[in-house]
Amino acid sequence: QSALTQPPSASGSPGQSVTISCTGSRSDVGGYNQVSWYQKHPGKAPKLMIYEVTKRPSGVPDRLSGSKSGNTASLTVSGLQAEDEADYYCISYAGSNSWMFGGGTKLTVL
Amino acid sequence: EVQLLESGGGLVQPGGSLRLSCAASGFTFFNYAMTWVRQAPGKGLEWVSSISGSAASTYYGDSVKGRFTISRDNSKNTMYLQMDSLRVEDTAVYYCAKELTGPYVLIDLDSWGQGTLVTVSS
Repeated sequence: QSALTQPPSASGSPGQSVTISCTGSRSDVGGYNQVSWYQKHPGKAPKLMIYEVTKRPSGVPDRLSGSKSGNTASLTVSGLQAEDEADYYCISYAGSNSWMFGGGTKLTVL
Repeated sequence: EVQLLESGGGLVQPGGSLRLSCAASGFTFFNYAMTWVRQAPGKGLEWVSSISGSAASTYYGDSVKGRFTISRDNSKNTMYLQMDSLRVEDTAVYYCAKELTGPYVLIDLDSWGQGTLVTVSS
């Protein structure tokens, strides 16, 4: 199994919107509505930002949103803020009781 | 407040074994599935293994299947990861994490420990 494909980097200025993609196949992203997104700052534990493609856990601002089209899931961060600068990882159910992370995207706030 | 505390990491030689523990508090442990995720130095996150709330179901990533064993003791609010036949490529920070919604594994992990470093080297 190969990791889900994410762009290595993304960037935007404060206040702008940025979308990070997560591309898989019909066997994972496209086949199930079980895509989650995690934010990770260096040296810190990951934080759940989006689950089941579009849902936000309590405490996550509505500036973050998730979506899916075909085999690609996306995370959109609107109204970029300095604290959004971090690594972002998608993960999808891949069938047969297995899950697969994306390679991660480093988001830079310019 | 949910707290997860990993322990058991350290330096081990290739082919050796190590057992990680994850002590949980602040929630009803047996009601939630638990998961181990790792991050190798300079690399991304990798799903390692998960276990349902009752321990009836266990799941493993391909890279650790047959070498690692996940378990939990609900009377002690503790999850374990027995790691055997360790390889250099198992070197990583290992995180334990709690499922958001309940006893089934979905990998929607809302609480995480701070991680424990496992180094496999001769």
